[in-house]
Amino acid sequence: DTGVSQDPRHKITKRGQNVTFRCDPISEHNRLYWYRQTLGQGPEFLTYFQNEAQLEKSRLLSDRFSAERPKGSFSTLEIQRTEQGDSAMYLCASSSPLDYDGGTDTQYFGPGTRLTVL
Amino acid sequence: KQEVTQIPAALSVPEGENLVLNCSFTDSAIYNLQWFRQDPGKGLTSLLLIQSSQREQTSGRLNASLDKSSGRSTLYIAASQPGDSATYLCAVMTTDSWGKLQFGAGTQVVVTP
Repeated sequence: DTGVSQDPRHKITKRGQNVTFRCDPISEHNRLYWYRQTLGQGPEFLTYFQNEAQLEKSRLLSDRFSAERPKGSFSTLEIQRTEQGDSAMYLCASSSPLDYDGGTDTQYFGPGTRLTVL
Repeated sequence: KQEVTQIPAALSVPEGENLVLNCSFTDSAIYNLQWFRQDPGKGLTSLLLIQSSQREQTSGRLNASLDKSSGRSTLYIAASQPGDSATYLCAVMTTDSWGKLQFGAGTQVVVTP
């Protein structure tokens, strides 16, 4: 399967602990996005990378959140000192302006990482 | 500030009926609009993407239309099947916020056999 993959799929942690999620985009995609989705809502944008450069960050991304894409391939999202309000599904997506959908820059999503903070 | 609304929040139809899902947005300066399907506890599957210059896109039983001037998009699913049961989300990318998809809350669809 050459789609977007995320690891882990589920994470349960205690309040105050740090967690890190990984996203592997579709291999030829140079753009990578992170979103957060809470129950009953649509995903909310967190941040996006073009290659290794982080080009935009939402104000939702507090100082406790950091995202990296060190070599322009996989990305990590770290949450420090987790709070119960961080419980959500964290979704990663990737795209390319030259993708096989005729250059539409369609965003393709991974299966998500469900975080539960106790 | 772009706001995306999907009404109704939930919809139940008998198998075989056509589905009509609505999406409205407040800022017509969009780059594209994308429709997704989400099964419970899963990620999003891209269904259709309409560029701002296009009026509609079709894929199999799915057809999506876009009217930028009125800030509306409609997703039609012909001859619904129980396997179409899922939440359908629309998302827009505005021209001044490139890369960032802004989502509606979705319409939860149940197709009964």
